[in-house]
Amino acid sequence: EDKVVQSPLSLVVHEGDTVTLNCSYEVTNFRSLLWYKQEKKAPTFLFMLTSSGIEKKSGRLSSILDKKELFSILNITATQTGDSAIYLCALIQGAQKLVFGQGTRLTINP
Amino acid sequence: GAVVSQHPSRVICKSGTSVKIECRSLDFQATTMFWYRQFPKQSLMLMATSNEGSKATYEQGVEKDKFLINHASLTLSTLTVTSAHPEDSSFYICSAHSGGGDTQYFGPGTRLTVL
Repeated sequence: EDKVVQSPLSLVVHEGDTVTLNCSYEVTNFRSLLWYKQEKKAPTFLFMLTSSGIEKKSGRLSSILDKKELFSILNITATQTGDSAIYLCALIQGAQKLVFGQGTRLTINP
Repeated sequence: GAVVSQHPSRVICKSGTSVKIECRSLDFQATTMFWYRQFPKQSLMLMATSNEGSKATYEQGVEKDKFLINHASLTLSTLTVTSAHPEDSSFYICSAHSGGGDTQYFGPGTRLTVL
């Protein structure tokens, strides 16, 4: 059964710190891995990763995929209080189904 | 960017009643829509996959007679929670896929509270 495991489950840091969120997976037929940010409502899309070793970057956020070791990381530099959210990692299965990890609850304290 | 709406955003109902939730893709045609449920402090769990013009595919453990899904057009899917009970209280989220690429776009969610 396909599985997505995120760590840590919860993380509290101070504003300005850099954080690294982890997502490891087991899947029979890999297509893509996605990162989402969820605040109070539904998730918003951050990144989609398909190829190994190619960093995707958006402002202070970046992500990379390692298909050999079966994991991805999401980095956030110079964190701000607005980065506080749940970060979700998901795998795409056949027919576009998403399998989500448990999420990492990130809290940025001023 | 692609926009998905849900209606209502919040609903409170009495036990035993049925509740319909709409999911619309506003600026694209969604060949496939997905319905998720999220309990407090838990991740999203896929309930069913809805394809326009055909029957929905339900995940294991999801009762198809309780959670009725209708995908009548390329821009609208509905989820009806029939004979709702307090344990059905949850955050229901839909997502839509346009048919090109793997990105899914999520609606804002519907918070259902059954008294």
